[in-house]
Amino acid sequence: NAGVMQNPRHLVRRRGQEARLRCSPMKGHSHVYWYRQLPEEGLKFMVYLQKENIIDESGMPKERFSAEFPKEGPSILRIQQVVRGDSAAYFCASSPLGGGYNEQFFGPGTRLTVL
Amino acid sequence: GENVEQHPSTLSVQEGDSAVIKCTYSDSASNYFPWYKQELGKGPQLIIDIRSNVGEKKDQRIAVTLNKTAKHFSLHITETQPEDSAVYFCAASERGGGTSYGKLTFGQGTILTVHP
Repeated sequence: NAGVMQNPRHLVRRRGQEARLRCSPMKGHSHVYWYRQLPEEGLKFMVYLQKENIIDESGMPKERFSAEFPKEGPSILRIQQVVRGDSAAYFCASSPLGGGYNEQFFGPGTRLTVL
Repeated sequence: GENVEQHPSTLSVQEGDSAVIKCTYSDSASNYFPWYKQELGKGPQLIIDIRSNVGEKKDQRIAVTLNKTAKHFSLHITETQPEDSAVYFCAASERGGGTSYGKLTFGQGTILTVHP
């Protein structure tokens, strides 16, 4: 059973460009959480999605950031007009059930560098 | 919202010694406390977790204790080995209820170094 997959693993963007981060959950998991890890800090919650629904986006900046989890395909975290402060590692985690009933399994992360 | 404090930020031990990392949390509604190990360039890996209805849980060389009254929990690693060297994160969440939807609030992390 493949684990959580994220791609790309490393992404370099110039200021003002768009970044698209993809997350494929574990097989059978329909709940995805996105977290951001700034250098030398802990992970911070961004958004929680179920298939086709955003359940909780309280940790996501109101502007430039958006997330989706379509019926088919991976979950996408999209950052428009990136700035240097967006440089971080972005992790997604998947879970078979929502509400925290099951542990979250993390992917390897996407390390975004904004030049 | 929940706030999790973790100490120490760095911990250096000799191989074979024990290591203890402590966390405190603020939200009394939190009832699930996982610990994650993160190696360089990798995602966090769950190593042990505890629910609020138990005070202690052990898995081989790793144990976690929880004091719900004082709102703190600790990770204990015995007989440390060089491969235990990594960053360790504690986290808290409200499992199965409320509007937190199980999202994890993480501590700041502890860099553990085990010297051979």
